[in-house]
Amino acid sequence: ETGVTQSPTHLIKTRGQQVTLRCSSQSGHNTVSWYQQALGQGPQFIFQYYREEENGRGNFPPRFSGLQFPNYSSELNVNALELDDSALYLCASSRDGGRQETQYFGPGTRLLVL
Amino acid sequence: QKEVEQNSGPLSVPEGAIASLNCTYSDRGSQSFFWYRQYSGKSPELIMSIYSNGDKEDGRFTAQLNKASQYVSLLIRDSQPSDSATYLCAVNFLSNQFYFGTGTSLTVIP
Repeated sequence: ETGVTQSPTHLIKTRGQQVTLRCSSQSGHNTVSWYQQALGQGPQFIFQYYREEENGRGNFPPRFSGLQFPNYSSELNVNALELDDSALYLCASSRDGGRQETQYFGPGTRLLVL
Repeated sequence: QKEVEQNSGPLSVPEGAIASLNCTYSDRGSQSFFWYRQYSGKSPELIMSIYSNGDKEDGRFTAQLNKASQYVSLLIRDSQPSDSATYLCAVNFLSNQFYFGTGTSLTVIP
């Protein structure tokens, strides 16, 4: 167990809907990163939040947005859901924004878009 | 374009053998390298990190890094059936932005 929690564990939505996923970082960590992992693929970096500010973004459209709160928990919002958004969404927390900091993953949220 | 490449496998080894997993990366400026293990339906869990050229050992696991060749590997000695999983190589190209390979599926045959 890493101490990183995510909710919900599973979610079913229909195309065009909006979804919010939540993540609580490990105690003492101020950085949260979000990843999308499609079946059979490695995790793809969506974005990172460091001390409540976005600190880098991967190749995802603007309908993927996020937020980090003062307690360093975070949300991932996806608007106008598409079928290809079906994936495992992973949150990872790290102690700081340094390049050698290890990221620890939560259990993930499995999203199915119908 | 930041790229991390792994052989997708599947890799099968008998119990007790050495499993060798390989990873190459595209950015010479990369400084941090990580191996994660992912069981089916679960999230990645950290096995080990390596930052300097050479070998780093932790129990049955040894990570090897060669920055000149842009190559990182993971050796698993005395492989056990419980080691059967997908192994993900992650490279930290910029700040905390990890880039992952597609993973290598390992099966340890009893």
